[in-house]
Amino acid sequence: GNSVTQMEGPVTLSEEAFLTINCTYTATGYPSLFWYVQYPGEGLQLLLKATKADDKGSNKGFEATYRKETTSFHLEKGSVQVSDSAVYFCALRGYGSQGNLIFGKGTKLSVKP
Amino acid sequence: DGGITQSPKYLFRKEGQNVTLSCEQNLNHDAMYWYRQDPGQGLRLIYYSQIVNDFQKGDIAEGYSVSREKKESFPLTVTSAQKNPTAFYLCASSSTGTGGNTGELFFGEGSRLTVL
Repeated sequence: GNSVTQMEGPVTLSEEAFLTINCTYTATGYPSLFWYVQYPGEGLQLLLKATKADDKGSNKGFEATYRKETTSFHLEKGSVQVSDSAVYFCALRGYGSQGNLIFGKGTKLSVKP
Repeated sequence: DGGITQSPKYLFRKEGQNVTLSCEQNLNHDAMYWYRQDPGQGLRLIYYSQIVNDFQKGDIAEGYSVSREKKESFPLTVTSAQKNPTAFYLCASSSTGTGGNTGELFFGEGSRLTVL
């Protein structure tokens, strides 16, 4: 079945450091891929998405590229801020599925000033 | 503003009691979902509904029940049969037609249930 694996946290970085959170997936066909962010005590917010191979999603300085050859959708940001501290979830929507997303376990990011 | 409203934000329950979590959306979405979040386990799907008066079990439906009598509302009941109900519950919705936003889920702010 479909699944998502993302790197375990927590990840602790200093402000302005480079961020990479790895995400790989297993799916048949051509899934859509998403990154969501969750701030403490809140629900999830969509950060970015990509719906086909080689698409690059980007938002708020974050980027991720849909790599079908490596079944990956790694999240990157060139210079993190303290306000980026949150839990990040990688997710996929299977091709032809009824809409529900399959989520990774989440990666907690803490950015220190 | 359009969005999803979950209530209550915090809820305490004694063992053996049923409790109902409310979820209302004004995004005109056809599909609605309930997820459970536990530390270190990500989100797991409890139930989902693609249309009014129809719903399907997700991966961990045992001990939960739902109804979908209106498009805007998808309440979740945590029954006394749920053995470990303490968790953070998230409601979401999405459109089901074609288009750029298909598959994107919009989430409420969650309800934290604690069983005493």
